[in-house]
Amino acid sequence: DSGVTQTPKHLITATGQRVTLRCSPRSGDLSVYWYQQSLDQGLQFLIQYYNGEERAKGNILERFSAQQFPDLHSELNLSSLELGDSALYFCASSHPRTGNSEGNQPQHFGDGTRLSIL
Amino acid sequence: AQTVTQSQPEMSVQEAETVTLSCTYDTSENNYYLFWYKQPPSRQMILVIRQEAYKQQNATENRFSVNFQKAAKSFSLKISDSQLGDTAMYFCAFMNPSNDMRFGAGTRLTVKP
Repeated sequence: DSGVTQTPKHLITATGQRVTLRCSPRSGDLSVYWYQQSLDQGLQFLIQYYNGEERAKGNILERFSAQQFPDLHSELNLSSLELGDSALYFCASSHPRTGNSEGNQPQHFGDGTRLSIL
Repeated sequence: AQTVTQSQPEMSVQEAETVTLSCTYDTSENNYYLFWYKQPPSRQMILVIRQEAYKQQNATENRFSVNFQKAAKSFSLKISDSQLGDTAMYFCAFMNPSNDMRFGAGTRLTVKP
């Protein structure tokens, strides 16, 4: 158990809809990362938040947005969904509050949310 | 932009044997971090091993070790005494100092009894 919790585990919806994926990081971790993994593909980095602020941005579409709340949980919002958005979405956390904020912290992954667009 | 290449889409190894998974990367950074993650059929992402680029000594974690060649931008993973539970997708990952992490496409490893 990584300590990172993602909900829901599965989500089925239709094209054009909007969904919200939720992530609770490991207790004390300040950073949250979001990744997209399409079928049989590697992970695509979407975005990182550190202590409530956006810190790094990857290949995130304009239809997607994220935020990190004061309690450090994060939400990834996906709108105007397309068939190609079907994927496994991972959240990862790092940077324990008692550690440093540099990039040598390993990321601990949640079990992912499987999004299926019909 | 940083890229990570894993040139072996699939590999197999006999139980108890040793296997090496290849990874190369491209970057202009001098300080960065490298990781290997394992993704078993359960689809969980599990950190296997990590290496800081400023460290010359190769990282080891029990049966897992890396061969880090900074000049060649190579970061291979060696699994010794392979076990059936090692069957998984293995992803090589590069992280720059700005925490931007890039993953390779993965290598599917099958350990045969």
